[in-house]
Amino acid sequence: DAGVIQSPRHEVTEMGQEVTLRCKPISGHNSLFWYRQTMMRGLELLIYFNNNVPIDDSGMPEDRFSAKMPNASFSTLKIQPSEPRDSAVYFCASSLFPGNTIYFGEGSWLTVV
Amino acid sequence: GESVGLHLPTLSVQEGDNSIINCAYSNSASDYFIWYKQESGKGPQFIIDIRSNMDKRQGQRVTVLLNKTVKHLSLQIAATQPGDSAVYFCAENSINTNAGKSTFGDGTTLTVKP
Repeated sequence: DAGVIQSPRHEVTEMGQEVTLRCKPISGHNSLFWYRQTMMRGLELLIYFNNNVPIDDSGMPEDRFSAKMPNASFSTLKIQPSEPRDSAVYFCASSLFPGNTIYFGEGSWLTVV
Repeated sequence: GESVGLHLPTLSVQEGDNSIINCAYSNSASDYFIWYKQESGKGPQFIIDIRSNMDKRQGQRVTVLLNKTVKHLSLQIAATQPGDSAVYFCAENSINTNAGKSTFGDGTTLTVKP
């Protein structure tokens, strides 16, 4: 069975550019999460959706970050404009329902120069 | 200069020995706990979980122990192998509050020496 699929796996972009990260959750999972991982702050929850509706976006750092989930099988995390401090690994994850085991994708490694 | 960032606990064990990784959680309302393993360059992977109505659960070579009195969780790995080298995270959740999101610990780096 396919797990959580993320793209791109690696991206290097210049400061000020728009970055779009994509995620396909596990089929049938109703909850989707975006996490960011850095050496400084560890694994941080940015936002999560339940049944395509954003439930908690309190972890989104600032207005430059936005996330959408137009349907049950696709989500995007957008950073506009990007800054060097956004460099991190961004993980998408999904779970069958809220509070259940979270399954992670392989991550999108973002470097902003 | 002063170092910044996370100072992850580390554990170094000899191949074949047993490993014990500890985790303290903070929310007394948490009722579901999960251990994840993250290898270099990969996302965290589910290892084993336990619900608050249990104090022990065993998997293949892994055992999770839960002590709700002191809010402590441990992961025991039997006969540790080089492939077990990774960062291990515990996560807590509360299904009843429908918070939906797991709170992750900082992680423990396990190094297995051949």
